[in-house]
Amino acid sequence: AQSVTQPDIHITVSEGASLELRCNYSYGATPYLFWYVQSPGQGLQLLLKYFSGDTLVQGIKGFEAEFKRSQSSFNLRKPSVHWSDAAEYFCAVGEPAGNKLTFGGGTRVLVKP
Amino acid sequence: DAGVIQSPRHEVTEMGQEVTLRCKPISGHDYLFWYRQTMMRGLELLIYFNNNVPIDDSGMPEDRFSAKMPNASFSTLKIQPSEPRDSAVYFCASSLGGLTLHFGNGTRLTVT
Repeated sequence: AQSVTQPDIHITVSEGASLELRCNYSYGATPYLFWYVQSPGQGLQLLLKYFSGDTLVQGIKGFEAEFKRSQSSFNLRKPSVHWSDAAEYFCAVGEPAGNKLTFGGGTRVLVKP
Repeated sequence: DAGVIQSPRHEVTEMGQEVTLRCKPISGHDYLFWYRQTMMRGLELLIYFNNNVPIDDSGMPEDRFSAKMPNASFSTLKIQPSEPRDSAVYFCASSLGGLTLHFGNGTRLTVT
């Protein structure tokens, strides 16, 4: 069965600093990979996704993620965070032949002024 | 595009009462998913539909939970009878062709 681990429950970063959120997955083949963001009281919004091809994926709001097969990782990065990036971030994995997404436990990001 | 619409946004009910959560997916989407989010268990898939047909309900916790999709533009998740441990945020999501999910804003359910 597929699984997703987000090792960091909370991360605090200063505004303007870089951000990297870790995601590790367990799956036998190359999965479909996603990052979602959830602001307080809101649903989840898709930031980016990886299905195949270029392993560096660009998303919305200045985010990018890199798929590393050898490390079973799909880490999310942003060069310079803004106060509005404070939210909870979820990594998810899906089977190419299936229709179910499995979500990680989430990482809550706090942004200091 | 209106997005996925869920109602109500908040629901407070007493233990033993019936609760019905509603969802309108994005027009044209053929998949609909119900998720539950809690602090302890995170995001859990309860059930999903394809073309209004339930495909996988293995995540439905108990017989007290049921979901229907009578047509392409409407789905309900019903809990009868409700219990305090059902308190959570329930999300509906829809997609076209599979895994790229679009989420509603959720229904926060509190059972006292």
